[in-house]
Amino acid sequence: KAGVTQTPRYLIKTRGQQVTLSCSPISGHRSVSWYQQTPGQGLQFLFEYFSETQRNKGNFPGRFSGRQFSNSRSEMNVSTLELGDSALYLCASSLGAGANNSPLHFGNGTRLTVT
Amino acid sequence: QQQVKQSPQSLIVQKGGISIINCAYENTAFDYFPWYQQFPGKGPALLIAIRPDVSEKKEGRFTISFNKSAKQFSLHIMDSQPGDSATYFCAASIGGSYIPTFGRGTSLIVHP
Repeated sequence: KAGVTQTPRYLIKTRGQQVTLSCSPISGHRSVSWYQQTPGQGLQFLFEYFSETQRNKGNFPGRFSGRQFSNSRSEMNVSTLELGDSALYLCASSLGAGANNSPLHFGNGTRLTVT
Repeated sequence: QQQVKQSPQSLIVQKGGISIINCAYENTAFDYFPWYQQFPGKGPALLIAIRPDVSEKKEGRFTISFNKSAKQFSLHIMDSQPGDSATYFCAASIGGSYIPTFGRGTSLIVHP
């Protein structure tokens, strides 16, 4: 099976711009979650989608949003970028419903740099 | 509020030595404790996991020790190798929840 695919791998944006990141989960996985990883804060949970519905949300401002499509692919959007948004954004997929504690399978992330 | 506290933040070990990473949690409802390993430029990958009904789980050179009464669990890497150099994250989740709470990570360097 192909793993979780995230595109693009690298992005450089300017403050105030917006950005969209894409994630394709493992085939058959219906849950997609997003994490922000920074050296000081570790892995911070952004949100989780299951069957096109946001099921869980972390403590991030409304500038961070996401969506999931019928094929389970997911996108994450960040509007009005700030310097502090520079981070590695990780997507993870899992089986979701009916599979308690199913492990997360992470992609290799999108490295976002805001200048 | 950090629900899973991980230490140390960084660890340097000689080849062949034992690497030990500790985690403590607060929420007694947690019932699944995975460890993830992350190499530079890659996403984290599940390494080993334990449930609180056992006190120890071993897979090759990697062992999780679990102390339910102390609300602590640890990862032991025996005969550490330079290829083990990575960042390790402990995590905890509640059955039915698909979102684990992660520790802040430990950067392990194993010198040849």
